Amino acid sequence: AQSVTQLDSQVPVFEEAPVELRCNYSSSVSVYLFWYVQYPNQGLQLLLKYLSGSTLVKGINGFEAEFNKSQTSFHLRKPSVHISDTAEYFCAVSEGSNFGNEKLTFGTGTRLTIIP
Amino acid sequence: DVKVTQSSRYLVKRTGEKVFLECVQDMDHENMFWYRQDPGLGLRLIYFSYDVKMKEKGDIPEGYSVSREKKERFSLILESASTNQTSMYLCASSRTGAASGQPQHFGDGTRLSIL
Repeated sequence: AQSVTQLDSQVPVFEEAPVELRCNYSSSVSVYLFWYVQYPNQGLQLLLKYLSGSTLVKGINGFEAEFNKSQTSFHLRKPSVHISDTAEYFCAVSEGSNFGNEKLTFGTGTRLTIIP
Repeated sequence: DVKVTQSSRYLVKRTGEKVFLECVQDMDHENMFWYRQDPGLGLRLIYFSYDVKMKEKGDIPEGYSVSREKKERFSLILESASTNQTSMYLCASSRTGAASGQPQHFGDGTRLSIL
């Protein structure tokens, strides 16, 4: 069965500093990987996704993530954060070869706080 | 843009009541999902549906049921509400399953309090 681990529940970062949010997954088959962001009092919004091809994926708002199959990781990065990036970030995985399985499995989330 | 609309942002109900949470999507998506979100636990799947009148149990279906009579509408039902069902409930839809790489689109959530 697939699973996702987000090791950091909270990450404080100074404004304009770089940030990395960590995500590790477990699956016995090929996977699709997603990062979602949740701003206060809102639902989840897709940041980026990895399906196949280039392991470096670029998303909205200057975020990018790198798929590393050998380390089973999909860490999210941004070179310079802004106050507006304050939100909760969720990593999610689906098993790409398990057709008929409609489910996404989410991590427990990382709360990113930007310090002015 | 895909629009997923949840009927209530905030809801307060009493223990033992039958509670209905409604969700409507406007993009003719086949799949619809109900999650609950709790601090430190992330999102947990309650039920999902891949077609009208079809439903599948998720990871935590106990105490809940669902209804999908029309493609655009997916209802979550708490048969007899209990205090441990106080939570944020999120509805989502997707054009096809997660196994094809299609992302899910989320509503803004319903914060449900059971007193």
